[in-house]
Amino acid sequence: DGGITQSPKYLFRKEGQNVTLSCEQNLNHDAMYWYRQDPGQGLRLIYYSQIVNDFQKGDIAEGYSVSREKKESFPLTVTSAQKNPTAFYLCASSLSSGRVMETQYFGPGTRLLVL
Amino acid sequence: GIQVEQSPPDLILQEGANSTLRCNFSDSVNNLQWFHQNPWGQLINLFYIPSGTKQNGRLSATTVATERYSLLYISSSQTTDSGVYFCAVSPLGGQGAQKLVFGQGTRLTINP
Repeated sequence: DGGITQSPKYLFRKEGQNVTLSCEQNLNHDAMYWYRQDPGQGLRLIYYSQIVNDFQKGDIAEGYSVSREKKESFPLTVTSAQKNPTAFYLCASSLSSGRVMETQYFGPGTRLLVL
Repeated sequence: GIQVEQSPPDLILQEGANSTLRCNFSDSVNNLQWFHQNPWGQLINLFYIPSGTKQNGRLSATTVATERYSLLYISSSQTTDSGVYFCAVSPLGGQGAQKLVFGQGTRLTINP
């Protein structure tokens, strides 16, 4: 099946701990994205990548880091510098067609809770 | 940056009713998408519609790019239509052309 997988489904973080959220896609999409969603709110962009070994900050990148070593994978690390990490994290991907963004498809999400 | 406003914020209807959800945006766009987020959090892509009209079963959408708004129509609502509907846009040109900006969503509740 083609799609986007995220793991784990639930993640608990202790104070001062770094945690990494996994996102994998087998859609052969060039572009990948990470969003954060707080309760009752819309999605906000954390980081995005249009090509392997390249990524850009979104609107709320502070306290997060990413890597894009493979086309299929775009892991997100929530660092200890992120003071309010409790949220629902969504990964997405899309074909990248020049200057026009194609349809974005989303994974099932990871819920991060701070202990 | 571009602003996206959705209305109404909440909508409660009986099964079988029709509804219209609105999305206004503040600048020209090259991408507009409608999503449905189910109670488990999964976002499902409904329409990719930067302009024109599309239909898929009981759902249809119209975007009038020159007037900077889009409408999502749901006919003969079912309880499974409940959830949050998001509009998201990508501004025309510049670095922002590769990013989606989301509205705050419309929470739709369909009662049996």
